[in-house]
Amino acid sequence: DQQVKQNSPSLSVQEGRISILNCDYTNSMFDYFLWYKKYPAEGPTFLISISSIKDKNEDGRFTVFLNKSAKHLSLHIVPSQPGDSAVYFCAAAPGSNYKLTFGKGTLLTVNP
Amino acid sequence: NAGVTQTPKFQVLKTGQSMTLQCAQDMNHEYMSWYRQDPGMGLRLIHYSVGAGITDQGEVPNGYNVSRSTTEDFPLRLLSAAPSQTSVYFCATRTGGSYGYTFGSGTRLTVV
Repeated sequence: DQQVKQNSPSLSVQEGRISILNCDYTNSMFDYFLWYKKYPAEGPTFLISISSIKDKNEDGRFTVFLNKSAKHLSLHIVPSQPGDSAVYFCAAAPGSNYKLTFGKGTLLTVNP
Repeated sequence: NAGVTQTPKFQVLKTGQSMTLQCAQDMNHEYMSWYRQDPGMGLRLIHYSVGAGITDQGEVPNGYNVSRSTTEDFPLRLLSAAPSQTSVYFCATRTGGSYGYTFGSGTRLTVV
């Protein structure tokens, strides 16, 4: 049973527009959520996170929104740049346990 | 400061052979983990360690052994390689109180 779901395998956007990547989770024990970015032949790199006590966290062009009642989070990238083209993984963890559960990833392509 | 170093980067094994994937970190991080990434499957936790001498199983531990004799090193052993273990393996570390794992660049393993 997949506890973290990224239902869009891929997303294509134009440079300068907004990219919205979505993630749903089923485990009510999850209370910390992260986004990782991965380029080919490299390890994932940590992008941004949010705790369940917040509903929004911002870092430059990246904003993560959390809707606990819907068990849904999203990553907004504004404005999108060609260098943002990568696979984005959503991950979640319960507060007392640092073991991350990852989604399957979404391939973002930003077209010049 | 090298961060997380994984060796080798590539390896081809025959079914039944054994090998050890190495992971070393120079950040004095307590937590270390091994993940595997398969196409369409995201990253799945194999084993993790919360400190020297302490290890535990993750989501997909079968066929793998780990030990943690020092803070710096966390090797992953394949006892008898099987084609199902063909994957990209990532080592990840983090410091206490942070969910933001630092990943190595990965080991691509093919079992024929």
